[in-house]
Amino acid sequence: DAGITQSPRYKITETGRQVTLMCHQTWSHSYMFWYRQDLGHGLRLIYYSAAADITDKGEVPDGYVVSRSKTENFPLTLESATRSQTSVYFCATKLAGDTGELFFGEGSRLTVL
Amino acid sequence: AQKITQTQPGMFVQEKEAVTLDCTYDTSDPSYGLFWYKQPSSGEMIFLIYQGSYDQQNATEGRYSLNFQKARKSANLVISASQLGDSAMYFCAMSLVNTGNQFYFGTGTSLTVIP
Repeated sequence: DAGITQSPRYKITETGRQVTLMCHQTWSHSYMFWYRQDLGHGLRLIYYSAAADITDKGEVPDGYVVSRSKTENFPLTLESATRSQTSVYFCATKLAGDTGELFFGEGSRLTVL
Repeated sequence: AQKITQTQPGMFVQEKEAVTLDCTYDTSDPSYGLFWYKQPSSGEMIFLIYQGSYDQQNATEGRYSLNFQKARKSANLVISASQLGDSAMYFCAMSLVNTGNQFYFGTGTSLTVIP
């Protein structure tokens, strides 16, 4: 039981190309999140979802698109990749309710040339 | 606005000594959670400890304890008896119920344990 699976783990692409990062969970947690991690900025929230078909913007949503047609999947798409989107991307999940920690995937390292 | 502040970019500690990693937070919501995560060089995020805003006692998990001072809005992580494997990046985070359970992270503190 892998819990949270992110794919691809590593991706190199060129400016202007579309890229999709996949996130799959086996736990049926209600909440799913996408963060990006950059040196000096910690983790910043891109988008999150409280349930299937419910998504909302986080702190840095520009240039990204998400969808959640099924509870277990939460793909993140960069419609036209830019160099500033070079980063490590983490998918995370959380149970419904007020308390409880985030569970993280292993991360996807994206390089945009 | 910065909701979580970690003022120590890097820290060093001697093996077997205790170390405190600082974290201050900013919110006017009465209900929130405070978390610490560890990120070793391999990159995964490991949950360490949680403190709820209504908890009266400081949280403890093995060698980790959270020094929660609500009036000062601080949530410092104390690691006792440091081990070489504690060398990692440490992130403080806060979740706010009123913002859809969003988590806000600090910029992290890099801890190096010296043998």
